[in-house]
Amino acid sequence: DQQVKQNSPSLSVQEGRISILNCDYTNSMFDYFLWYKKYPAEGPTFLISISSIKDKNEDGRFTVFLNKSAKHLSLHIVPSQPGDSAVYFCAAKDNYGQNFVFGPGTRLSVLP
Amino acid sequence: ETGVTQTPRHLVMGMTNKKSLKCEQHLGHNAMYWYKQSAKKPLELMFVYNFKEQTENNSVPSRFSPECPNSSHLFLHLHTLQPEDSALYLCASSQEQGTNQPQHFGDGTRLSIL
Repeated sequence: DQQVKQNSPSLSVQEGRISILNCDYTNSMFDYFLWYKKYPAEGPTFLISISSIKDKNEDGRFTVFLNKSAKHLSLHIVPSQPGDSAVYFCAAKDNYGQNFVFGPGTRLSVLP
Repeated sequence: ETGVTQTPRHLVMGMTNKKSLKCEQHLGHNAMYWYKQSAKKPLELMFVYNFKEQTENNSVPSRFSPECPNSSHLFLHLHTLQPEDSALYLCASSQEQGTNQPQHFGDGTRLSIL
């Protein structure tokens, strides 16, 4: 039973447009969330985080939105670039938990 | 440089072989992790060491045996593996287990069991 779900296995977006990657979670105790990006043959690298005391966090072209009532977060990439093509994982943790729980990932393809 | 180095990058072994995966981190972190990634599945946490003490064994079969001789090095000893153990094995480190600080991952070892 997955506590962190990424229901879209893949997403294709045109270069320059917005990419929106979604993540849903079931544990209402989760209060900290991370997004990672993974290129083929490389390990995941940390991208952006958000705490449950916020509903938005922005870093350059990347913005994460958190909707606690819906137990939903999303990662927006604007504008999308071909170099953004990768697998994106969201991960969540509660204040008393020792470890982050990861979703299965969404493969983003940005088409030139 | 990622700061977390895993060797080998690829490993093919028979079911009766014994081999070891190695992970080294140069970030001064105190927690190290082994994850298994199978196709289209979430990252599966296997083991955690925090300040060289094993704090997590996520019901991993005994044919996988971790070792953490110091905070910078982590091994995964493999013995009598099964075909379903073929996967990408990722090592990660973080400042300390239990904090919200993100983990730093190595590039993984792609393991194939014949």
